[in-house]
Amino acid sequence: DGGITQSPKYLFRKEGQNVTLSCEQNLNHDAMYWYRQDPGQGLRLIYYSQIVNDFQKGDIAEGYSVSREKKESFPLTVTSAQKNPTALYLCACSSPGQPVGKLFFGSGTQLSVL
Amino acid sequence: AQKVTQAQTEISVVEKEDVTLDCVYETRDTTYYLFWYKQPPSGELVFLIRRNSFDEQNEISGRYSWNFQKSTSSFNFTITASQVVDSAVYFCALRPASGGSYIPTFGRGTSLIVHP
Repeated sequence: DGGITQSPKYLFRKEGQNVTLSCEQNLNHDAMYWYRQDPGQGLRLIYYSQIVNDFQKGDIAEGYSVSREKKESFPLTVTSAQKNPTALYLCACSSPGQPVGKLFFGSGTQLSVL
Repeated sequence: AQKVTQAQTEISVVEKEDVTLDCVYETRDTTYYLFWYKQPPSGELVFLIRRNSFDEQNEISGRYSWNFQKSTSSFNFTITASQVVDSAVYFCALRPASGGSYIPTFGRGTSLIVHP
């Protein structure tokens, strides 16, 4: 079955530590996105990538970094500069004809601070 | 700039009641898409519907119906005869149909709790 997989489901970060969240898709979609969800805050865009080897900052990119070396993979690193990282992180992908604009989401990684 | 407002933070109903989730949006784009997604407790957002700005026909899918009114910039979602399985957070989203960024803007979500 095609889909989008995020791992791990739960992650704990220590003070000063960088952590990387994995996002893999086998839908052959070009565009991929990272969102952060805080209770009552909705979804806020961190980074997005429309094609391989290219990505753009979203609304809250500070303290995060990404790479897009392969079409199917879009890992997110939460750096030590992100002082309040506790949230649910959602990865999504999309393709022009799915219908247009439809996002496919992973089940998320819940990041907490130790 | 785009904005999506879901004024209802949480709605609580008893099974079999009808419930309407409100969505009001702001955009300067002449053409755009509107979406509803459902987020069950498992966390994964599931696409429910997409509506084009030039198509104001209401849509019904089983117990779900959507009322799009361009004049009031609203795209409301009604669940008829609600069930416990409808308990979830529901998000409304807006995306330009042409030009510039194709990134959707999400509302803050409405948490629906359906009691047996």
